[in-house]
Amino acid sequence: QQQVKQSPQSLIVQKGGIPIINCAYENTAFDYFPWYQQFPGKGPALLIAIRPDVSEKKEGRFTISFNKSAKQFSLHIMDSQPGDSATYFCAARLTGNQFYFGTGTSLTVIP
Amino acid sequence: DTGVSQNPRHKITKRGQNVTFRCDPISEHNRLYWYRQTLGQGPEFLTYFQNEAQLEKSRLLSDRFSAERPKGSFSTLEIQRTEQGDSAMYLCASSPPWDGSPLHFGNGTRLTVT
Repeated sequence: QQQVKQSPQSLIVQKGGIPIINCAYENTAFDYFPWYQQFPGKGPALLIAIRPDVSEKKEGRFTISFNKSAKQFSLHIMDSQPGDSATYFCAARLTGNQFYFGTGTSLTVIP
Repeated sequence: DTGVSQNPRHKITKRGQNVTFRCDPISEHNRLYWYRQTLGQGPEFLTYFQNEAQLEKSRLLSDRFSAERPKGSFSTLEIQRTEQGDSAMYLCASSPPWDGSPLHFGNGTRLTVT
């Protein structure tokens, strides 16, 4: 059973576009929602994270929007660049520090 | 801070052989995690240590898998009698001792079982 559902599986945008990646969850016990970026041959690296008492968080060109009632959250990448081409994973944490990951979105930014 | 270090980076083994991977976490992190990632999937939780104590184990961790963290520093993950289905990237992550802290991943060990 997939605890965190992520879509789309892949995404292609032009440079400067705003890709949006969506995640949904069911377990209301999740209390922390990070996004990770992974390049080929590397481990996932933390990009940005949010807690459920906040509806939006911005760090640089990356924004998380969080809808607690809908149990959905999304990642927006402003002014996307070819260097942003990577796989992005959403995750959710249960108390006790066990993280559940989405299946990933492969993003390609075309110059 | 040199980050989480994993060795080896790649391991090719024949079915039925035993393999062992090592993870060195960030020095001040007392929490250590093992995850498995297959192609096109997100990391799947295997097990979690707080200091030297193994606090959680996933049902994915069959009897052929064992993890240790004897002195609360580095950890090893051993897979006995490897099967082709064990082929995956094995990721180690660590985090500081306070709740809500993110995971810091290493670059993984890619295991190929032939």
